[in-house]
Amino acid sequence: AQSVAQPEDQVNVAEGNPLTVKCTYSVSGNPYLFWYVQYPNRGLQFLLKYITGDNLVKGSYGFEAEFNKSQTSFHLKKPSALVSDSALYFCAVRDSLTYKYIFGTGTRLKVLA
Amino acid sequence: KAGVTQTPRYLIKTRGQQVTLSCSPISGHRSVSWYQQTPGQGLQFLFEYFSETQRNKGNFPGRFSGRQFSNSRSEMNVSTLELGDSALYLCATTPQSGSPDTQYFGPGTRLTVL
Repeated sequence: AQSVAQPEDQVNVAEGNPLTVKCTYSVSGNPYLFWYVQYPNRGLQFLLKYITGDNLVKGSYGFEAEFNKSQTSFHLKKPSALVSDSALYFCAVRDSLTYKYIFGTGTRLKVLA
Repeated sequence: KAGVTQTPRYLIKTRGQQVTLSCSPISGHRSVSWYQQTPGQGLQFLFEYFSETQRNKGNFPGRFSGRQFSNSRSEMNVSTLELGDSALYLCATTPQSGSPDTQYFGPGTRLTVL
């Protein structure tokens, strides 16, 4: 069965420190992987995606993610966190066979000043 | 370009009633997906419409239904509302070309069932 797991409900990091938000997936076929961010009372905003090619993907607001096929992971990273990065982050996978999008349960990122 | 719009933004209903939510996609977007977001469950996929046809469906009861019009606008309907239907309902649309796999989300409709 297709699934996406975000093992951490919340991640706390000090401003200026690097951050990582974890995501693992399980799908049939080749995965299309996405990260979205949600600010309070807003819809989701697209950050970045992996379709094919380089395993390191760069996205909006200085975020990047690394696709690791052997570990079926797609962790979101940023070298230096900002307080304004505090939000809810969702990992998603689109199954290339069914075209369905499957979202993780979300990870709340808190960047402390 | 205007973004994805959803109306209404907030709704309060009582158990047993029905509700209709609307989603207007970005101009040129033909695929519309609907999601239910709750604190404990994250985003749960309801269904996807493309060219007025349901292309995909999630695991929700038949009380949840949807449709898409020729201008790509979509509506979802929930009949016989239950307390557990209280959630943020999000729609997402996909471009016809360019980045076909990136979904663009509306701000959502917050439904409260009393």
